[in-house]
Amino acid sequence: QKEVEQNSGPLSVPEGAIASLNCTYSDRGSQSFFWYRQYSGKSPELIMFIYSNGDKEDGRFTAQLNKASQYVSLLIRDSQPSDSATYLCAPQASGGSNYKLTFGKGTLLTVNP
Amino acid sequence: DTAVSQTPKYLVTQMGNDKSIKCEQNLGHDTMYWYKQDSKKFLKIMFSYNNKELIINETVPNRFSPKSPDKAHLNLHINSLELGDSAVYFCASSQDWGGSYFGPGTRLLVL
Repeated sequence: QKEVEQNSGPLSVPEGAIASLNCTYSDRGSQSFFWYRQYSGKSPELIMFIYSNGDKEDGRFTAQLNKASQYVSLLIRDSQPSDSATYLCAPQASGGSNYKLTFGKGTLLTVNP
Repeated sequence: DTAVSQTPKYLVTQMGNDKSIKCEQNLGHDTMYWYKQDSKKFLKIMFSYNNKELIINETVPNRFSPKSPDKAHLNLHINSLELGDSAVYFCASSQDWGGSYFGPGTRLLVL
């Protein structure tokens, strides 16, 4: 069973701080990694994806990937109360199941004004 | 314009009943999925279709039967509903690169 572990929340940060969300995965063959944001009572929303080792920046979001360590993270700079949500890490499965995303249980982030 | 839509949004029914959930996407994607999110918010894939062909079938009771009449539609039929089927069911679609777009969800409550 391929597993995805995320830092257990809830994570609480003050407004304007950097929020750091971490994820480790067991499928060594995973090549693509996705971060989703899910507001309470809403559906998951794709916010970032990363394929290559290193950093990928998009606005206030930075995804970091280290395939050797099987580790992916999401940094949110200048956190806003509107960032308060559950963040889901989802590596894409390797091999014949490469359409399959395995989701972590998510980290609940609360940004305090 | 809605990209991935599902009907109904809410479904309250008795144990033993049969129900269906419909999903449509207008993104032109080739692949569609059904996910189940349980009360602990764990999101797990159930099925996936690519161009109307079943490509992923996770360990799901055979009371659950997906059907894809065309690549823009994926329906989920559930027979003999049980209490444990209560969850939010999300439909999603993706193109080859894998990023999935989710529908608004169907909240199923089995009494």
